[in-house]
Amino acid sequence: GQQLNQSPQSMFIQEGEDVSMNCTSSSIFNTWLWYKQEPGEGPVLLIALYKAGELTSNGRLTAQFGITRKDSFLNISASIPSDVGIYFCAATGNQFYFGTGTSLTVIP
Amino acid sequence: DAGVIQSPRHEVTEMGQEVTLRCKPISGHNSLFWYRQTMMRGLELLIYFNNNVPIDDSGMPEDRFSAKMPNASFSTLKIQPSEPRDSAVYFCATRGGAGEKLLFGSGTQLSVL
Repeated sequence: GQQLNQSPQSMFIQEGEDVSMNCTSSSIFNTWLWYKQEPGEGPVLLIALYKAGELTSNGRLTAQFGITRKDSFLNISASIPSDVGIYFCAATGNQFYFGTGTSLTVIP
Repeated sequence: DAGVIQSPRHEVTEMGQEVTLRCKPISGHNSLFWYRQTMMRGLELLIYFNNNVPIDDSGMPEDRFSAKMPNASFSTLKIQPSEPRDSAVYFCATRGGAGEKLLFGSGTQLSVL
């Protein structure tokens, strides 16, 4: 079953604000991934992290693999309306585990 | 690459009917996963295959659910007989290639009336 605690559950922000969400676990993982899901579509991979301490950017998105290998965060800078969606963290050992998602609403 | 291809996109059926969901993985990906997503439970892993062999089916809800992967380019998830509580979005995802990333299809929205 799921072992990832993702927070916050939902966020309502003004366009232009920065966003931060995170995932924690009691288990150690080898890989952390962040996905975005829009209505009617499957989750789309945003960023993959493979090493403890790794910090990776993809445009306005930045994610880090925690030093303890038990957590990860995702930041979105200068949010825009098309950032709306549900963001999931995922981590993998032998199989993939998913967080419960963060629903992001951006108010123009 | 066309990505993970699932069919149908939408399925509406009556309770008791058989439902078959299909998935074509990305070429060269050797692991395939079936997930179910609902508001209440989020993403649940049903079963996954490695090199066409089922590895872990502990997430399959009950005997009404079965999955097969007869070859590296095709998998099915079958529900027989279907029940209203099976209504959900079913995703197929495959892993492979550089970085072993897990990539999802667009899902099948299943409604059992």
